Amino acid sequence: DQQVKQNSPSLSVQEGRISILNCDYTNSMFDYFLWYKKYPAEGPTFLISISSIKDKNEDGRFTVFLNKSAKHLSLHIVPSQPGDSAVYFCAAMELGTASKLTFGTGTRLQVTL
Amino acid sequence: GAVVSQHPSRVICKSGTSVKIECRSLDFQATTMFWYRQFPKQSLMLMATSNEGSKATYEQGVEKDKFLINHASLTLSTLTVTSAHPEDSSFYICSARADRSVQETQYFGPGTRLLVL
Repeated sequence: DQQVKQNSPSLSVQEGRISILNCDYTNSMFDYFLWYKKYPAEGPTFLISISSIKDKNEDGRFTVFLNKSAKHLSLHIVPSQPGDSAVYFCAAMELGTASKLTFGTGTRLQVTL
Repeated sequence: GAVVSQHPSRVICKSGTSVKIECRSLDFQATTMFWYRQFPKQSLMLMATSNEGSKATYEQGVEKDKFLINHASLTLSTLTVTSAHPEDSSFYICSARADRSVQETQYFGPGTRLLVL
């Protein structure tokens, strides 16, 4: 039972344009969401997070939007850079449950010149 | 950001042997560490939650006798894959939660590639 889903396995975006990565979840108990970036054979690197009391959180080029009613979140990267090419995982957790993260299946972003 | 290391980064072993993987938080204390495994092109799957000084909590379907976890100090957790078989070949990643973290952020190690022949 995949509680966190990233339906696009891959995405290609031109340098300078906006990258939008989507994530859907089914567990209504999730109240904290995170995005991680991962290169092959490396561990994930934390990018940005958002709690369920907010609908938007921004950090530099990265913005995460949360739509609780739709159980949907998205990560916007603007402008996209070649160094952003990686696999992006969204993750969700229920605060107070020992920080157990449930990961999505990942979206491979390719930023082209 | 906080640094988590794993050792070894790659290991190849014969079927039936045991392999130990170390996870260390280098510049912070971590009461809680987590062990994940990732199969090719799949998501990270949580295997167990490791708490310093107590027994690990395993996720459903993970054999505790096969994947031994020890969290002896606030900066070190170990995962031992006992009597490894080819199907245990995977990418194992640990993470640590900084106790001072307000954001519930987990910091991940670089991972260990295990290949069982």
